[in-house]
Amino acid sequence: DTEVTQTPKHLVMGMTNKKSLKCEQHMGHRAMYWYKQKAKKPPELMFVYSYEKLSINESVPSRFSPECPNSSLLNLHLHALQPEDSALYLCASSQVHRENSPLHFGNGTRLTVT
Amino acid sequence: DAKTTQPTSMDCAEGRAANLPCNHSTISGNEYVYWYRQIHSQGPQYIIHGLKNNETNEMASLIITEDRKSSTLILPHATLRDTAVYYCIVSRFQGAQKLVFGQGTRLTINP
Repeated sequence: DTEVTQTPKHLVMGMTNKKSLKCEQHMGHRAMYWYKQKAKKPPELMFVYSYEKLSINESVPSRFSPECPNSSLLNLHLHALQPEDSALYLCASSQVHRENSPLHFGNGTRLTVT
Repeated sequence: DAKTTQPTSMDCAEGRAANLPCNHSTISGNEYVYWYRQIHSQGPQYIIHGLKNNETNEMASLIITEDRKSSTLILPHATLRDTAVYYCIVSRFQGAQKLVFGQGTRLTINP
């Protein structure tokens, strides 16, 4: 069990679908992250939110649209994805103003694009 | 952020100490060394971190060389459940952290 909850655990979507991934934490963390992980590869950073504002976008294609509606929730809206976007999408959270605050990860959403 | 170099894979016998090395020769003075692990089909799990001094917690020990150019993660009594990919990451504090994962070491604990 983790303190970062991601839903759904698995998602299959077509290339014309619109879907959303959700992430929730109740640890009072004000930084939240999206990572993408392809099979047998390390996680790759996509987005970072700090105090509900987007602070880092690692040149992610616009078919991925993040949203942080409040300090506990993080969404990733998906539209017009490609089969190569199939991956494990990981959410994480951390404190902002503690210099040594580790990231807490959820167990991810495994996305398959058909 | 400084890059890290880790062996691709390692094996260790159950019950023995697992020593995982990491080279970070370009580390800056304000950069921390973090260790995470990822067990199959789960999200990465934080293990330990340090700046200059050696650190120990309930999971592991972290030994950082005096020049800070390398470190070793020690799992004192490895169990089968410690089989995972272990990531050594160097990162400075930037408010919200930009944690960049390298390839990691695949550690297999053998019975």
